[in-house]
This record gives sequence, structure tokens and C-alpha cells, in this order.
Amino acid sequence: EAGVAQSPRYKIIEKRQSVAFWCNPISGHATLYWYQQILGQGPKLLIQFQNNGVVDDSQLPKDRFSAERLKGVDSTLKIQPAKLEDSAVYLCASSHNRVRAYEQYFGPGTRLTVT
Amino acid sequence: AQTVTQSQPEMSVQEAETVTLSCTYDTSESNYYLFWYKQPPSRQMILVIRQEAYKQQNATENRFSVNFQKAAKSFSLKISDSQLGDTAMYFCAFMKHERDDKIIFGKGTRLHILP
Repeated sequence: EAGVAQSPRYKIIEKRQSVAFWCNPISGHATLYWYQQILGQGPKLLIQFQNNGVVDDSQLPKDRFSAERLKGVDSTLKIQPAKLEDSAVYLCASSHNRVRAYEQYFGPGTRLTVT
Repeated sequence: AQTVTQSQPEMSVQEAETVTLSCTYDTSESNYYLFWYKQPPSRQMILVIRQEAYKQQNATENRFSVNFQKAAKSFSLKISDSQLGDTAMYFCAFMKHERDDKIIFGKGTRLHILP
């Protein structure tokens, strides 16, 4: 079974530029999560999708971050415009469904550096 | 609000030794999950062990075991016969036993296994 795929693995941009990350969850997993992991901290949930609907985006900075999962499979997370404090690893995870949120599988992450 | 505290930012042990990582948490919930996740330098987060609060028996997975003290709100991880491949960041995490609840991570403990 293929794991959660993410791309790119690394990205360096200047502040005020825009960037997008892509995630493909495990096949058949209805629930998808995006986390932000700042250096020295644990991951923090940004947004949770169930199929193509948003379940929780309470911690997503909506003035600059957006995410979508249009067909209920893969997802993109966008930052526009980026700030220095957005430098972090962005992790995508998936679970079979919302009930099994305790069983999340993580992708390798995208390391974003904003200069 | 739930919080997870890992008081050991970094630890080093010799290969084959036993090491214990500490974690405390704060919650008013009675039913919840506790987790230990491992994040090797490649950054793919993997689940090491999961404990359900209503289960009194401590979870074990091969060389990994936990000491779950519900009254003290303590959840330590013991790694026996440590191996070089155990070198990683270890995150303690909490989640309420509710659909759609988010996983709350601690700040992590960086563990070095020395040859």
C-alpha cells in the first residue's frame, strides 16, 4: 500500500511570494489533514478535510493560507503572500475516516524556507 | 484546553541500553488517546505506540512500552535494547475520544543512540 505522498520536498521562496504544496493521501482515506511544524515544536493542525468538505480550519490563518480538496482525493495548500514566520515543515496526513482519526498516517513533509 | 509537556528536549544513550522518555498532559476528559510518535531525520512521522485511557493495561510494541499513570497524567515511553535506528525526535501526543478531535503534540524529545 502506497503511503501519503507530498511534493515538493523542499521549497525556498522570498517573503511576499506565493507557494503551493500538494498532497496525495493513502488510497481510500476519506479524511485528510494539513499540519504546520515549526522548528523545535510539534505539529499543529491547520485544516482537516472529510472528502472534499472542510471539517476544521479554526487554526488556519485565512488571510494568507488557503487549502482545497476539490475531488476528495488529493489536496493543495497555498500561502499567499508568505511571511518569514511561515518557515516550517508542512505535513500532510490521512486517516480512513473521521471515526478513525486516532490512526493517522503522515507524509514526508515539505520544508519551506522563507527568506 | 489540553496541553502536552515533554520536559526532556534532548537525550543520549548508548546502544543496547534502556531509555525512558517522559510526558505529562493536562485534561479534564476521562476518555482519550495518548500516542508516541517517532520522527527520524527523514521527517516521516510514524506511530510508535497508542494507549486508550480506559484501558488500564500499559500498551507494548516489541521493544517499546509505556507507563501510563492516569491519575498523575503521566505517559512515559520506555525503549529497551535501544538501536541506532531509534535515533529520532519523539513526540508525545493527546487526542480526546471524539470524532474530529485534533491531535495535540508536545514539543518533542530528540533522542540520540550512540554506538
